[in-house]
Amino acid sequence: HLQQWGAGLLRPSETLSLTCAVYGMSFTGYYWHWFRQSPEKGLEWIGEINPTGDTNYKWSFESRVTISLDTSRNQFSLKLKSMTAADTAVYFCAREDEIHRGSFDLWGQGTPVTVSS
Amino acid sequence: DVVLTQTPLSSPVTLGQPASFSCRSSESLLHSNGNTYLSWFLQRPGQPPRLLIYKVSNRFSGVPDRFSGSGAGTDFTLIISRVEAEDVGIYYCLQATHFPRTFGPGTKVEIK
Repeated sequence: HLQQWGAGLLRPSETLSLTCAVYGMSFTGYYWHWFRQSPEKGLEWIGEINPTGDTNYKWSFESRVTISLDTSRNQFSLKLKSMTAADTAVYFCAREDEIHRGSFDLWGQGTPVTVSS
Repeated sequence: DVVLTQTPLSSPVTLGQPASFSCRSSESLLHSNGNTYLSWFLQRPGQPPRLLIYKVSNRFSGVPDRFSGSGAGTDFTLIISRVEAEDVGIYYCLQATHFPRTFGPGTKVEIK
C-alpha cells in the first residue's frame, strides 16, 4: 500500500513537501503520481515520475514543482514551491501500471493541506 | 487540456435497478498506439478514488461484474446493472491518453 505524510499547514510563499512510502512492491513497472483535490478545481493531476526518474508535470505547475524518487528508501516525493491559498487541497499519491495507463490502482490516504497566513 | 464532461452531475438511483453515467471528451481519447485510456473511479467521502474500469471496458481486479464500461472516441458510459447500497458515492472518469491527465467533474450517486 502507499502511505503519505507531510506538513498540513503552510503560510503563503512556503514550500509544500510531501512523501509517499511504497510498501511491499517495486517501483519497476509503474508510474508514480501526485494528484490534488479541492472543491473549486475537483481532482487535478500534478505530475508523474517513472522508475528511471523521468518526470512529466502539468503545465500549470511546471515552474514550481519537483517530483523525485528515492529508491533506497522506497519513497517518492512532491515539492511545490510558492504556495498560495489557491493550493489548499487534499493531496494524494498514487500508482499507475505503466502498460495500462490510467489504471491508478493504489492510492495514499490523502494529506489535507491548508495555506493560510 | 482535454475537458471531460460528465452527465448527470447527480443521479438518484433505485436499489436493484440499472444506472448509467456518461463521460464525453473534448477530444478523441484514441491514442496513437491504438489504445483508448479512459478510466472510471468511485470515491466515497474521506477516501481516495477507487479504480473500477480502465481502458474503457476492463474491469479492475475485485470489482463486481455489475460494473461495465463502454464507448469509443469521445463518448463513454459506465453502467451498473443492478445498483447496490455500497455503490453510493461520486463517480469520476479520467483520461490518460493526453497530457495533462484530466478528470471529469463527477456524478454523485445517491439511493432514492
